[in-house]
Amino acid sequence: DAGVTQSPTHLIKTRGQQVTLRCSPKSGHDTVSWYQQALGQGPQFIFQYYEEEERQRGNFPDRFSGHQFPNYSSELNVNALLLGDSALYLCASSSTLAGTSYNEQFFGPGTRLTVL
Amino acid sequence: EDKVVQSPLSLVVHEGDTVTLNCSYEVTNFRSLLWYKQEKKAPTFLFMLTSSGIEKKSGRLSSILDKKELFSILNITATQTGDSAVYLCVGNYGGSQGNLIFGKGTKLSVKP
Repeated sequence: DAGVTQSPTHLIKTRGQQVTLRCSPKSGHDTVSWYQQALGQGPQFIFQYYEEEERQRGNFPDRFSGHQFPNYSSELNVNALLLGDSALYLCASSSTLAGTSYNEQFFGPGTRLTVL
Repeated sequence: EDKVVQSPLSLVVHEGDTVTLNCSYEVTNFRSLLWYKQEKKAPTFLFMLTSSGIEKKSGRLSSILDKKELFSILNITATQTGDSAVYLCVGNYGGSQGNLIFGKGTKLSVKP
């Protein structure tokens, strides 16, 4: 089991550009969540996808959008990049199981985005 | 506003020391308190706490939750250099898939 994988590992963009980050969930998982982790901060929840729809969203502008595919993999898109978007972007996957109070989220290694 | 506050933000100890990491939270619709360890990139799950006063233990790590005082601690005994990491305290609220609100983390450095 490869666990959660993310690509690319590192990315450098300039202000105003657009970026797409990719995530493949752990085998058997159907839910993908995206987080932004700025240097020295804890991860901040961006949004969560389940059944190819955005189910929950954190306090992020519309420049941040996403998609989930039928195979449960997901993309995070960020438009009109700002310097402040520089961060580690983490993807986490989990499985919907009836009767559980918390479905453990397994994190990928992240994509380090630098905006110049 | 929901928040999770960890202290200290950083800590330097020597191998063999015992450390206590603190976490206070204000989370509406609170479901559970989680601890994660982040060494390089991917946070890895340590504990989930839902009930007050029940200690969770895994090897040299243990954690307990106080739902009255909205507080949790993570203890690490006989620390090793491999314990060096950022420890994240996380509030879980909402539905079963869990909205997670993270603290800033405590950076633990264990010197040989």
